[in-house]
Amino acid sequence: AQSVTQLGSHVSVSEGALVLLRCNYSSSVPPYLFWYVQYPNQGLQLLLKYTSAATLVKGINGFEAEFKKSETSFHLTKPSAHMSDAAEYFCAVNYLGNDMRFGAGTRLTVKP
Amino acid sequence: KAGVTQTPRYLIKTRGQQVTLSCSPISGHRSVSWYQQTPGQGLQFLFEYFSETQRNKGNFPGRFSGRQFSNSRSEMNVSTLELGDSALYLCASSLDGTSSGANVLTFGAGSRLTVL
Repeated sequence: AQSVTQLGSHVSVSEGALVLLRCNYSSSVPPYLFWYVQYPNQGLQLLLKYTSAATLVKGINGFEAEFKKSETSFHLTKPSAHMSDAAEYFCAVNYLGNDMRFGAGTRLTVKP
Repeated sequence: KAGVTQTPRYLIKTRGQQVTLSCSPISGHRSVSWYQQTPGQGLQFLFEYFSETQRNKGNFPGRFSGRQFSNSRSEMNVSTLELGDSALYLCASSLDGTSSGANVLTFGAGSRLTVL
């Protein structure tokens, strides 16, 4: 069965520092992978998705993620954190159908 | 273009009651999925509807049910509410009607249910 594991339920960085949110997937077949962001009292918003076209995927708000098959990882990065990046981030995996499975989430705090 | 609309946004019920939540997908989207979000369990898939048919189902008891109408609007119902049903219920719609894992889900803001 497909699943994702997000390492670290809370990550804290200083404004301007590198953001690295970790996600490892488990899937017996090539998966589709997604990163979503959730701001307080809102639904989830798509940041980016991997669908095998390119291993380095660029998303909105300066985020990007790299698919590494050998490490079964899809970590999310941003070179320079901004205060507005503070939110909860979810990694998700899907294979067939709209039965998307989400990780437990990582809450990102950005310190001034 | 209007987004995914969920109503009501907030509601309070007591144990044993039932509740119906509504979701209006983005115009043209024919797939609607429902998720339950709680602090302890995270985001859990409830079910997905496409063209008025349930296409996928998560691991929830039969108290949780849903349906989709011909205009793609969807409702979910929870009967005999339990305290543990308190959660944010999220609806998401998708444009691509095929069973493709690449489909992007667009989420609504959710309906926050509190069971007392």
